[in-house]
Amino acid sequence: DAGITQSPRHKVTETGTPVTLRCHQTENHRYMYWYRQDPGHGLRLIHYSYGVKDTDKGEVSDGYSVSRSKTEDFLLTLESATSSQTSVYFCAISDRGLYQETQYFGPGTRLLVL
Amino acid sequence: RKEVEQDPGPFNVPEGATVAFNCTYSNSASQSFFWYRQDCRKEPKLLMSVYSSGNEDGRFTAQLNRASQYISLLIRDSKLSDSATYLCVVNVMNYGGSQGNLIFGKGTKLSVKP
Repeated sequence: DAGITQSPRHKVTETGTPVTLRCHQTENHRYMYWYRQDPGHGLRLIHYSYGVKDTDKGEVSDGYSVSRSKTEDFLLTLESATSSQTSVYFCAISDRGLYQETQYFGPGTRLLVL
Repeated sequence: RKEVEQDPGPFNVPEGATVAFNCTYSNSASQSFFWYRQDCRKEPKLLMSVYSSGNEDGRFTAQLNRASQYISLLIRDSKLSDSATYLCVVNVMNYGGSQGNLIFGKGTKLSVKP
């Protein structure tokens, strides 16, 4: 299994509070991603990073920010959590080849916003 | 039209059955194609890439029809352990010709019964 960990694995928080999720990799992969997965929507990309301090928005980036200060860590922050951000959050890593990439996923973080 | 569409299922089949999953994608610029497997409450994992000429890995066969923008996955002699959700995934090239991000279908749930 790829060396990806996520913390926390489960979190319950209240509306309006800030929340930070951490993704840590030991593979030295350049690309890191944050997805959310909800029933009826499948996996949707929130933000991704293509190097230290290099990030870009995905499909559903509103209400989220990210930071990547070192290769191995990619942080996702909900500045002021809302109930609509209740979801399962997956981090993924990859090294993009010329024609293909394989993404490896972390175990996920289950977030409940009350 | 959604970018990647799959039959949501569930498909309930007996052990030993052959089961086929279908997927269509809307963007003709899609460059790479994959099937991922996701077990209940777990992260997605790459099952196999899909090549233009079709490819096989043991009991699993993947086919791609670029003209019809259609991808399939066939599982022969299904096992109880094949029970999972199968995600169809495509990668669309960016305007500049570099790899874009992965687009995930919502998945088809398979349940193999004794």
